[in-house]
Amino acid sequence: DQQVKQNSPSLSVQEGRISILNCDYTNSMFDYFLWYKKYPAEGPTFLISISSIKDKNEDGRFTVFLNKSAKHLSLHIVPSQPGDSAVYFCAAKSFGNEKLTFGTGTRLTIIP
Amino acid sequence: NAGVTQTPKFRVLKTGQSMTLLCAQDMNHEYMYWYRQDPGMGLRLIHYSVGEGTTAKGEVPDGYNVSRLKKQNFLLGLESAAPSQTSVYFCASVRTQYTGELFFGEGSRLTVL
Repeated sequence: DQQVKQNSPSLSVQEGRISILNCDYTNSMFDYFLWYKKYPAEGPTFLISISSIKDKNEDGRFTVFLNKSAKHLSLHIVPSQPGDSAVYFCAAKSFGNEKLTFGTGTRLTIIP
Repeated sequence: NAGVTQTPKFRVLKTGQSMTLLCAQDMNHEYMYWYRQDPGMGLRLIHYSVGEGTTAKGEVPDGYNVSRLKKQNFLLGLESAAPSQTSVYFCASVRTQYTGELFFGEGSRLTVL
């Protein structure tokens, strides 16, 4: 049972435009959500997170939106740059739980 | 500052052989994790540890064993490797459970023939 889903395996976006990556979850106990970025032959690195008490969190070009009623979150990258080409994983956890549950990932390609 | 280091980076095994992957972190983190990454499956948790001397099962623990004898090290063992264990393995650590912002190693690619 996939509790965190990223339904788009890949996404291509023109440089300078907005990239929107989506993530859905089924477990209503999840209350903290994270995005990780992964380059080939490297480990994932933490990008941005959001708590369930918020609906938006910004960090520079990256913004994460959370819609609790729809159990949906999205990552917006504006403007997209070639260095943003990577695989992006959505992840979720519940308070007091040591484990992160990851989605299947979306490969983002920024076209120069 | 090495962060999280995994050894070896690459390994080829024959079915039935055994091996151990070593994860070492120098950040004094309490929590450590082993994940595997497979195409279309994302990152799946194998085993984890909430402190020295403790281990617990994750999502896909079968065929693997772990040990955390020292706080800085987390070992993942395959007693009798199977082709289904061909994967890229990632170790991760975090100081506390509360934020979930894991620090990952660079990965270990294992091929079982």
